[in-house]
Amino acid sequence: DGGITQSPKYLFRKEGQNVTLSCEQNLNHDAMYWYRQDPGQGLRLIYYSQIVNDFQKGDIAEGYSVSREKKESFPLTVTSAQKNPTAFYLCASNGGPNTGELFFGEGSRLTVL
Amino acid sequence: GDSVTQMEGPVTLSEEAFLTINCTYTATGYPSLFWYVQYPGEGLQLLLKATKADDKGSNKGFEATYRKETTSFHLEKGSVQVSDSAVYFCALSYTGNQFYFGTGTSLTVIP
Repeated sequence: DGGITQSPKYLFRKEGQNVTLSCEQNLNHDAMYWYRQDPGQGLRLIYYSQIVNDFQKGDIAEGYSVSREKKESFPLTVTSAQKNPTAFYLCASNGGPNTGELFFGEGSRLTVL
Repeated sequence: GDSVTQMEGPVTLSEEAFLTINCTYTATGYPSLFWYVQYPGEGLQLLLKATKADDKGSNKGFEATYRKETTSFHLEKGSVQVSDSAVYFCALSYTGNQFYFGTGTSLTVIP
């Protein structure tokens, strides 16, 4: 079945470590997104990419990095510069402008110990 | 700027009660409007959508009507079930590549 796969589902990190969250989609979508979800704050956009080898910062990009080397993949690295990384991270995709709704993965929960 | 405001939760209802979750938006143009649902520990799933004024989106007994005159997209269901317990997000998008989400409304349905 087509969909978005995020891994790992749960991740624990020590302070000062970088971690990379994986997001893979087989929907043939051009656009991919990373959101952060904190209790009571809804979803905040971290980065998005509308095409391979191109991406843009969202509202809270500081302390994060991404790459888009393949259409199917959009990994997110949470760097040690991110001061409060404990959160639920959601990857999403859609076909690009004027193509309707976002499709979401099941999320990755990152906890900093 | 563009934004979405949802009624604050949490909302607790008895099974078979009527549900309304309010959503209003601020937009400079004519966006598409969406309701997403998030079950515990999962990602968001599209529940319903409407792309123009007066459109009604519906799915699984839920409905919402795009009201331009009141800039609203309230979610309703006539008889909720325990399985409807989740967090509901209202969202808008103009072009499908920039989405604005509300803060979410948590619903708990008790037997």
